Amino acid sequence: DIQMTQSPSSLSASVGDRVTIACRASQDIVNSLAWYQQKPGKLPILLIYSASTLQSGVPSRFSGSGSGTDFTLTISNLQPEDVATYYCQKYNGAPLTFGGGTRVEIK
Amino acid sequence: EVQLVESGGGLVQPGHSLRLSCTTSGFNFGAYTMNWVRQAPGKGLEWVGYVRVKGYGEAKEYAASVQGRFTISRDDSRSVAYLQMTSLKTEDTATYFCNPEYPHSRGYFQYWGQGTLVTVSS
Repeated sequence: DIQMTQSPSSLSASVGDRVTIACRASQDIVNSLAWYQQKPGKLPILLIYSASTLQSGVPSRFSGSGSGTDFTLTISNLQPEDVATYYCQKYNGAPLTFGGGTRVEIK
Repeated sequence: EVQLVESGGGLVQPGHSLRLSCTTSGFNFGAYTMNWVRQAPGKGLEWVGYVRVKGYGEAKEYAASVQGRFTISRDDSRSVAYLQMTSLKTEDTATYFCNPEYPHSRGYFQYWGQGTLVTVSS
């Protein structure tokens, strides 16, 4: 089975910073990658699919890139409301594996 | 409006069984693969499994951690998905979510219900 590894597991950044979260697949998944945001005590929200397509309604400061095995979620201009845990998920066939998550905090 | 209502959770002893239901509305249930995802308290998201649509023989796939113990099924006439859990372990304690692959049928999840909490404890 393909493993999904996120890094870092947590980070602290200042408001206005550019934040980058990495997700690595153990095998080529082409661009079958989604990103979710889960704020404390809330349900996950789909941010990005197909590695780089922004879900409708998601602020444009969120962006995704990558293909194959290496992917990145970038938050430009970090805002206080972006405090959350972020998960990647591969979906090119079962099992539909999630990464371990990256907790983003404000410094 | 898509609505997903998971139910059937509760406190159950190790080794026992439980059946969860996912009642849906707002989309053509029979046209979409239905997934279950769980989240243990304070932990990350874990895909549990899915049942595909009738046209794909209602094929099922499961995570290794639940294979042989959990069974997913669907009732298209009632727009309901089920998760039958047997031989429950303490590590199955989690909130369980059902997720349709609506609207893109690609395997990612735009819609989430509130989930139902399963606690496995003696």
